[in-house]
Amino acid sequence: DIQMTQSPSSLSASVGDRVIITCRASQNIDYYLNWYHHKPGKAPQLLISAVSTLESGFPSRFSGSASGTDFTLTISSLQPEDVGTYYCQQSYGTSYSFGQGTKVEIK
Amino acid sequence: EVQLLQSGGGLIQPGGSLRLSCAASGLTFRSYAMAWVRQAPGKGLEWVSTISGSGSDTYYADSVQGRFTISRDNSRSTLYLYMHNLRAEDTAIYYCAKLPDVVIVPAASRGYFDYWGQGALVTVSS
Repeated sequence: DIQMTQSPSSLSASVGDRVIITCRASQNIDYYLNWYHHKPGKAPQLLISAVSTLESGFPSRFSGSASGTDFTLTISSLQPEDVGTYYCQQSYGTSYSFGQGTKVEIK
Repeated sequence: EVQLLQSGGGLIQPGGSLRLSCAASGLTFRSYAMAWVRQAPGKGLEWVSTISGSGSDTYYADSVQGRFTISRDNSRSTLYLYMHNLRAEDTAIYYCAKLPDVVIVPAASRGYFDYWGQGALVTVSS
């Protein structure tokens, strides 16, 4: 099975800060890497699909990139509404898996 | 507008069985694969199972293989998860989710979850 290692597990940053979350796959997954935003008490929301395709409804301060089996989610200027937990998810095979999650808070 | 409305869930004793339902609207249900994803208390998201649009292909996480069964009734636009021999570690919020493709093909299907249900809490405890 493909393992996804996400870091950091949590972070606290100031409004306006640049935030970077990384995810490493245990094997090649091409571009089958997706990101979700999850707020407590709500359903997760698809944020980015296929490494870098931003879903409608999310602002352009969110972006995704890849280098080999390393994937990055960047928030260019953190806003209060961005708090919550972010998860990466690989969809390369038929058995999917998520990263452990990164909890983002405002300092 | 795509909507996924979940029902079922509740408190069940270890070893018991439970069925979750997910009624879809705003889409041609048979044209999309569907899935179940869960979140245990204080834990992250865990993929549970996926089913193709026709229902002919199903996939399960190792943690539920042989105990859970995913199915769908395309005439009713409804997804199901039958859970048997439940364990304390199955306690979680269960979400149904829609995929963008009708089939699940390794390294070809997109495999992301673009719409989610509201979640249903399953508590396994004596």
